[in-house]
Amino acid sequence: QSVLTQPPSVSGAPGQRVTISCTGSSSNIGAGYDVHWYQQLPGTAPKLLIYGNSNRPSGVPDRFSGSKSGTSASLAISGLQAEDEADYYCQSYDSSLGGVFGGGTKLTVL
Amino acid sequence: EVQLVQSGAEVKKPGESLKISCKGSGYSFTSYWIGWVRQMPGKGLEWMGIIYPGDSDTRYSPSFQGQVTISADKSISTAYLQWSSLKASDTAMYYCARPSYYYDSSGYYFRWFDPWGQGTLVTVSS
Repeated sequence: QSVLTQPPSVSGAPGQRVTISCTGSSSNIGAGYDVHWYQQLPGTAPKLLIYGNSNRPSGVPDRFSGSKSGTSASLAISGLQAEDEADYYCQSYDSSLGGVFGGGTKLTVL
Repeated sequence: EVQLVQSGAEVKKPGESLKISCKGSGYSFTSYWIGWVRQMPGKGLEWMGIIYPGDSDTRYSPSFQGQVTISADKSISTAYLQWSSLKASDTAMYYCARPSYYYDSSGYYFRWFDPWGQGTLVTVSS
């Protein structure tokens, strides 16, 4: 059971917009710690997608965006493309546990 | 370019010991923390622990405290993850990654991981 809760799967058709939620608690996201998102393509290492709740590293398309409110955060992907099919993980910091990840969400592009 | 390069895949038997490595390049190795992340087959990412090679300050996630040992040799810019007695349940992909961090009067807190190593697959089977 992960400290941060994500839906196991989401799906969408090419061109559509999907969102992935990440729900924490008062000891992590709700305590003010920021949230980061990673994309993991099959057979590869995770890649940083969003850092500090809503910032994109250089090279990440602006179709990807992040937000945070209260004890939750969200990753939005607009203009869905086939190559976005991957696993997505949120990550934050917990005052008791240290670094924590969500359980991951598998995105299927229909 | 900042890079983390990990050692190759390992196949071990239960009860054996193992030490895998992660070599940093393209930055001052002693000035940044290095973390380890576990991914069991078909499962998600788990934050294991981190080390500051400059002074070997090491922090473990409660789930991994006492199960593994994290160390570093700053003379060769390399961090290690070590087991004294492997179990079948240690079978996983292990990633090293460099965390961003913030320090204030309350201490350190660790933020995003970037970059990541390519991963080391550890298989433990009799």
